[in-house]
Amino acid sequence: QSVLTQPPSASGTPGQRVTISCSGTSSNIGSYTVNWYQHLPGTAPKLLVYSTNQRPSGVPDRFSGSKSGTSASLAISGLQSEDEADYYCAAWDDSLNGPVFGGGTKLTVL
Amino acid sequence: QVQLQESGPGLVRPSGTLSLTCVVSGDSISSNNWWIWVRQPPGKGLEWIGEVYRSGSTNCNPSLKSRVAISIDKSKNQFSLNLTSVTAADTAVYYCAKVLSGSRFDPWGQGTLVTVSS
Repeated sequence: QSVLTQPPSASGTPGQRVTISCSGTSSNIGSYTVNWYQHLPGTAPKLLVYSTNQRPSGVPDRFSGSKSGTSASLAISGLQSEDEADYYCAAWDDSLNGPVFGGGTKLTVL
Repeated sequence: QVQLQESGPGLVRPSGTLSLTCVVSGDSISSNNWWIWVRQPPGKGLEWIGEVYRSGSTNCNPSLKSRVAISIDKSKNQFSLNLTSVTAADTAVYYCAKVLSGSRFDPWGQGTLVTVSS
């Protein structure tokens, strides 16, 4: 069981806006910034959002992150078929003294 | 650009030792960064294994610490993972990555599947 809690699945139609949640505690999300990864099976996970709401160079501004208290969210607007992937949140954890991940959310574009 | 590539046996016998290497290109393993191992068992989420600094200092997941050794080889610009006394529960895709800060990892390797089976 993962330390951070994500819904196992999410879906939307092309052009829609989808939000993926990530719930933690005061020892992780409540104290540290959150990073999001996009993962297509068989490929290297890709850093999608870092420091809660920053996008690496090359990541479209359709992807945005936010945090409130011990929960974080990844929003994808203008959904495209190429966005179909697994999404993971991650944060540092004081109790573990290491990084923790969410269980992942499989996004399906209908 | 920076690239990481994992390599090692795809099959390990139960009670044996899993040994993987991550070769770094486009960057120096001696840079001011930690380097990390993460794994993903089939159908499950990502799990932090541990990380190593250029000095050789390590920080490992307490749940695996007694079985994990992570080392760095500056001459070959690579770092390695050894996991002893493996069981079927250690079957997973193993990834290496560069740590930019905390839980921010970029880039990652493609991953390598290791199956523990007799």
